[in-house]
Amino acid sequence: GENVEQHPSTLSVQEGDSAVIKCTYSDSASNYFPWYKQELGKRPQLIIDIRSNVGEKKDQRIAVTLNKTAKHFSLHITETQPEDSAVYFCAAQIKAAGNKLTFGGGTRVLVKP
Amino acid sequence: NAGVTQTPKFRVLKTGQSMTLLCAQDMNHEYMYWYRQDPGMGLRLIHYSVGEGTTAKGEVPDGYNVSRLKKQNFLLGLESAAPSQTSVYFCASFGAYGYTFGSGTRLTVV
Repeated sequence: GENVEQHPSTLSVQEGDSAVIKCTYSDSASNYFPWYKQELGKRPQLIIDIRSNVGEKKDQRIAVTLNKTAKHFSLHITETQPEDSAVYFCAAQIKAAGNKLTFGGGTRVLVKP
Repeated sequence: NAGVTQTPKFRVLKTGQSMTLLCAQDMNHEYMYWYRQDPGMGLRLIHYSVGEGTTAKGEVPDGYNVSRLKKQNFLLGLESAAPSQTSVYFCASFGAYGYTFGSGTRLTVV
């Protein structure tokens, strides 16, 4: 089955700096890659996603890039703010396999004021 | 509000007891999923369903059973709870606009 690895597991940045989280996936059939933000005790919230026919997508301070050849995708947060502090998860979906989502292990981001 | 509703939100079980977690969605989604999330880890798929009357095993199915008798409901059962099943359980459904997650069930097995 699909395997998603996520790095780093923790990330501490100064307010205003950028944060980058990287994920790799194993199954070339994966075609949809969402990113979730999870605050303590809450459900995962979708923050951005990208499909396999797109290389990059941006939404205000958040961007995601996808390299299908290398099977990796990354989340970029610019001008970080304290409210960006949370756990972030990447995931990969294989449409042909019941649309199952496989999650990475998560990155705990701390933005220091 | 449209979405995914999980009941109960919290539960404490003794080892060996059984229970059923209920997931209900009102978006007419075909696909439904049960995940568990252990502290400091990502979500792992337990079982899933691609439509009414269907179920399939995910990554960590042992110790759990599921049923999808009605399209809107997906039940997760623990026949004999073990401390290793202490976790937060999330249900999700998938449709044209992506995934919708429930608010989770925090289960503690003592």
